[in-house]
Formats: sequence, C-alpha cells, structure tokens
Amino acid sequence: EAGVVQSPRYKIIEKKQPVAFWCNPISGHNTLYWYLQNLGQGPELLIRYENEEAVDDSQLPKDRFSAERLKGVDSTLKIQPAELGDSAVYLCASSPRGLGTEAFFGQGTRLTVV
Amino acid sequence: AQSVTQLGSHVSVSEGALVLLRCNYSSSVPPYLFWYVQYPNQGLQLLLKYTSAATLVKGINGFEAEFKKSETSFHLTKPSAHMSDAAEYFCAVSLPGNLIFGKGTKLSVKP
Repeated sequence: EAGVVQSPRYKIIEKKQPVAFWCNPISGHNTLYWYLQNLGQGPELLIRYENEEAVDDSQLPKDRFSAERLKGVDSTLKIQPAELGDSAVYLCASSPRGLGTEAFFGQGTRLTVV
Repeated sequence: AQSVTQLGSHVSVSEGALVLLRCNYSSSVPPYLFWYVQYPNQGLQLLLKYTSAATLVKGINGFEAEFKKSETSFHLTKPSAHMSDAAEYFCAVSLPGNLIFGKGTKLSVKP
C-alpha cells in the first residue's frame, strides 16, 4: 500500500512569491491534515479535512494561506505571498476516521524563503 | 485542554545503554497516546500507540512505553540503544480528529 505522497520535497522561493504544495493521502483515509513544523519543534496543525470539508482551520493564517481538497482525495496548500518566516517543513498526514486512530505522514516539503 | 510535555529536548546515551524519553500529558478524558520517530529529512513514523487496551505497549524497533494514569505519563524506553536509534522522538495525544504533539526529544547515540 502506498503511503502519503507529498511534492515537491524541497522548494526555494523568493519572498512575496506564491508557492503550492501537493498531497496525496492513503487511499480510503477520510481525514487529511496539514501540519507546519518549524526547526526543533513538533508539528502544529494548520488545517484538517474530513472528506472535502475543512472542519478545523482555526490555525491557518487565512490572509496568505489557502487550502483545498477536491473530491475528498488530493489536497493542495498554497501560500501567497510567502514571507521569510514561512520557511519550515510542511507535513501532510492522513488517517482513517475515528478517535484513537493514528495519523500517517508524508515525507514533508521543506520550504525556504529567501 | 489536552497537551503534551516532553522533558528534555536532547538526550544522549551510549550504544547499548538504556533509552528513556519522558512524556507527560494533560487530558480531561482518558487519552489516546502515541510516540512517533522522525529521522532527518523524513516525515513522522509511528512507533507505538496506547488506546486503553493495555498499559504496557510494545512498538517497533524494540521500543515500548508504559501508560501510568496516576503520573499522567507515557515514557518511552528501549533496553539497549543502537546507533540507528538516533533521531527525534515526538509524543502526541489524540483529540477527536487531531493530534497534539510535544516539542520533541532529539536522541543521540554515542559509539
């Protein structure tokens, strides 16, 4: 079974430019998460989807960040415009529905804003 | 509110020595708890999880963790460290539909 796939793995952009990350979750997983991981920190939730519905986006900086999950499968996370402080690893994870089920993570996208 | 505290941002052990990584949680309801490992430039991989079936949980790579309700702890142990165990370890507590992570503990293993 394929795991969570993210692309690109690495991205370097200049500040004020847009950037997008893509995630393909494990087949059949209804829940999809986007996490932000700063250097030396644990992952922090940006947004959670149940199927195609964003059910928790309280931590998403909506002035510059947006996300979508079309047809309840793949998801994209976009930043426009990027700022220097956005440099971090962006992790996508998915899980089957249900309390207590673990999340399965992709390898992440390391974003560097210069 | 639920939260996770990992004591010690960096732990160093010698190869063959006991590994002990500490995790304390706060939760208003019986928690689901997880330990994840992250190798450099990789995503997080599940080591083990506690879902109330047994207080001593065995995971992959020889790791285990014991849930102690009285101490609100879920410490991760391994009897004998291997060089390949060098990585960052994250404890997490499950909310409905979310995982709250600790700040992580970086484990170094000396030859």
